[in-house]
Amino acid sequence: NAGVTQTPKFQVLKTGQSMTLQCAQDMNHEYMSWYRQDPGMGLRLIHYSVGAGITDQGEVPNGYNVSRSTTEDFPLRLLSAAPSQTSVYFCASRPTGQLNEKLFFGSGTQLSVL
Amino acid sequence: QQQVKQSPQSLIVQKGGISIINCAYENTAFDYFPWYQQFPGKGPALLIAIRPDVSEKKEGRFTISFNKSAKQFSLHIMDSQPGDSATYFCAARRNFGNEKLTFGTGTRLTIIP
Repeated sequence: NAGVTQTPKFQVLKTGQSMTLQCAQDMNHEYMSWYRQDPGMGLRLIHYSVGAGITDQGEVPNGYNVSRSTTEDFPLRLLSAAPSQTSVYFCASRPTGQLNEKLFFGSGTQLSVL
Repeated sequence: QQQVKQSPQSLIVQKGGISIINCAYENTAFDYFPWYQQFPGKGPALLIAIRPDVSEKKEGRFTISFNKSAKQFSLHIMDSQPGDSATYFCAARRNFGNEKLTFGTGTRLTIIP
């Protein structure tokens, strides 16, 4: 049971480059989300999705795009990387429904933008 | 705007002692309050959670105390062990159907022998 899988684990980009952070889950969870973690800032929601074809913005969406074409995958795209996007990125998923509150997190992608 | 304020930023507790981490929230519409535990190099994992209809929830050595009138909740770790050394995040969610979970800024807990 793989759970939530994020790739790559580490990435270094130059300012202006674009890239996609991959996230896949094998638990058939409807809800998926992306967070970024910065020292002293906690975890901040970037984008989330409640099902295939449905996405919405979180707290800090600027500079990021998402799409949800399948239940399993929820990639995060950086359009033109900036040093302010240096962070650790976490993907998380859970089933929808009032009794399904537990978020399952991936192990993270550490991104450095030079 | 920080909707969930967490303190302290870091905490050192002796083995066997009680670790206490506090959180305060502003939005009275929040109705679900989880705590997540994160070890270095790993993603956060749910530790324990509470809803505002109860004032306390206990699971093993971990207890959440909830004060609805003060809009505060706290995590108590009894008989703290070196294996509890981790970063702890409180969080809050606003109403069923709203999927956004708002996290506190985190507390780095270190348990010393």
